[in-house]
Amino acid sequence: QQQVKQSPQSLIVQKGGISIINCAYENTAFDYFPWYQQFPGKGPALLIAIRPDVSEKKEGRFTISFNKSAKQFSLHIMDSQPGDSATYFCAANFLTGTASKLTFGTGTRLQVTL
Amino acid sequence: KAGVTQTPRYLIKTRGQQVTLSCSPISGHRSVSWYQQTPGQGLQFLFEYFSETQRNKGNFPGRFSGRQFSNSRSEMNVSTLELGDSALYLCASSFGQGAGKLFFGSGTQLSVL
Repeated sequence: QQQVKQSPQSLIVQKGGISIINCAYENTAFDYFPWYQQFPGKGPALLIAIRPDVSEKKEGRFTISFNKSAKQFSLHIMDSQPGDSATYFCAANFLTGTASKLTFGTGTRLQVTL
Repeated sequence: KAGVTQTPRYLIKTRGQQVTLSCSPISGHRSVSWYQQTPGQGLQFLFEYFSETQRNKGNFPGRFSGRQFSNSRSEMNVSTLELGDSALYLCASSFGQGAGKLFFGSGTQLSVL
């Protein structure tokens, strides 16, 4: 089964704190791991992504940590802001021939309080 | 550059009816994917089209179908609607291969009564 398990389901963090969302995958054929951010009434937007040959990728306040041997990856949001309050989805890319599709985690609803 | 445009934004149908949703991808993008989003099941892949050909299909019944036109615009059709089809239907486009780099529209919220 090509699943991506995501935790926690919801997260409350104080402004300025660090938000951490974790994901685990099963299929070692996955070769691309993006994170998407979704605000109410909008579609998901690509936030940051990583390939399995890299252990960490940082873009501004957002960092992905990737552990290939454990088949786990996580999103860290440093200095969390109220504007970061959204639902975050991890995902994995699974290539089948010339086609490709995303398998999404179940989502984490992040609330950043003042 | 304009983003992915989905129409209509909201739709209310009754059981047994059929519905067609439309998606215009970002200019130059040749791949269009469709996803169903529900609170219980999350984001589920429906199908992907590239150059008018269906490249991949998710685990949905045959009532769900789609097509892509020569200008890359895509439509999704659901026939014989069921209450469980109520969901946000999201269209996403990408330049080519590499489904991770998807650009999503705001979706069509379908309610089946």
